[in-house]
Amino acid sequence: GNSVTQMEGPVTLSEEAFLTINCTYTATGYPSLFWYVQYPGEGLQLLLKATKADDKGSNKGFEATYRKETTSFHLEKGSVQVSDSAVYFCALSEGSGNTGKLIFGQGTTLQVKP
Amino acid sequence: NAGVMQNPRHLVRRRGQEARLRCSPMKGHSHVYWYRQLPEEGLKFMVYLQKENIIDESGMPKERFSAEFPKEGPSILRIQQVVRGDSAAYFCASSPGGHEQFFGPGTRLTVL
Repeated sequence: GNSVTQMEGPVTLSEEAFLTINCTYTATGYPSLFWYVQYPGEGLQLLLKATKADDKGSNKGFEATYRKETTSFHLEKGSVQVSDSAVYFCALSEGSGNTGKLIFGQGTTLQVKP
Repeated sequence: NAGVMQNPRHLVRRRGQEARLRCSPMKGHSHVYWYRQLPEEGLKFMVYLQKENIIDESGMPKERFSAEFPKEGPSILRIQQVVRGDSAAYFCASSPGGHEQFFGPGTRLTVL
């Protein structure tokens, strides 16, 4: 079945460092891909998305490119801030004709130190 | 436009009691999803509903769990005879259709 695998955390960085969180997926068809962010005690917020191969999603300085050849959707940010500390989830939504349910990776905790 | 509302935010139950979790979708959204997040884990899909219909319940445990989304009112996730293993955060998401889902703040269930 479909699945998402993320790099294990926690990831600890200093402020202004470069961030990469790896995400790979297994899916039949043509899924849409998402990154969600969860701050402590809160629900998930959509960070960015990509719906087809080679699409780049971007938001708040974060970027991720849908790579069909490597089945990856790695999250990157050039310069992290303390306020970026949160748990990041990669997810896929199965393609057309399906229910749209999301399949999540296990989450990666990011800690940014001043 | 208010976001997805869930209540209660925190719920404590003793083993054997019933838990009722409510979710009010965003205005204009007729699709509701429920997910469960166990400690230190990602979210797992439970059930997908549209008004008055269960579309996909492939992630629901076979016993004690049920969900509904009536024509009027919020969606309800009901857990009967709770056990300690049911302790988790339960998130509801709504969608107008398509693949983008908007999440509520969650209900954190603790079973004593």
